[in-house]
Amino acid sequence: DAGVIQSPRHEVTEMGQEVTLRCKPISGHNSLFWYRQTMMRGLELLIYFNNNVPIDDSGMPEDRFSAKMPNASFSTLKIQPSEPRDSAVYFCASSFGQGVSGNTIYFGEGSWLTVV
Amino acid sequence: AQSVTQLGSHVSVSEGALVLLRCNYSSSVPPYLFWYVQYPNQGLQLLLKYTTGATLVKGINGFEAEFKKSETSFHLTKPSAHMSDAAEYFCAVTYSGAGSYQLTFGKGTKLSVIP
Repeated sequence: DAGVIQSPRHEVTEMGQEVTLRCKPISGHNSLFWYRQTMMRGLELLIYFNNNVPIDDSGMPEDRFSAKMPNASFSTLKIQPSEPRDSAVYFCASSFGQGVSGNTIYFGEGSWLTVV
Repeated sequence: AQSVTQLGSHVSVSEGALVLLRCNYSSSVPPYLFWYVQYPNQGLQLLLKYTTGATLVKGINGFEAEFKKSETSFHLTKPSAHMSDAAEYFCAVTYSGAGSYQLTFGKGTKLSVIP
């Protein structure tokens, strides 16, 4: 079975450019998470969707970040304009059901973003 | 609010030796606890989790962890390290209850296995 699919795997962009990261969750999963991983802050939850609806976006660092989930099989995380401090690995993850307490979260392989 | 502390950002063991990765948590409500493994350039994979019931939890690849409420710990062990265990390991906590989604991760422990 296909896991969580993220694209691009690697992106190098110049400061000020728009970056769009894409995610295809596992078919049938109705919870989707975007995480950011940095050396300084570790893994942070950016936003959580359930049934395509954003439930908690309190982790989104600032207005430059936005996320959408137009349907059950696709989500995007957009950064506009990008800044060097946005350089990180961005993970998408999905699970079946609501939340994580009883359900296993499956992570994608990540999108490695470098902003120069 | 919950938090996780992983003691030791780097741990080295010899092949065949015991693996012990330490995790202490803080939670004002009964926690659910998880260990994830991240191999280089890959996403996180669930090793094991504790929700309720037996406090000794067995996971994949021969790993196990024991929930000790009195010590607020959830240490990860494996009796005999294998070269393929070299990876980064993350402990995570969430609060018990349906719908909890906020997983709080520790900073990770990078395990090296020496041949």
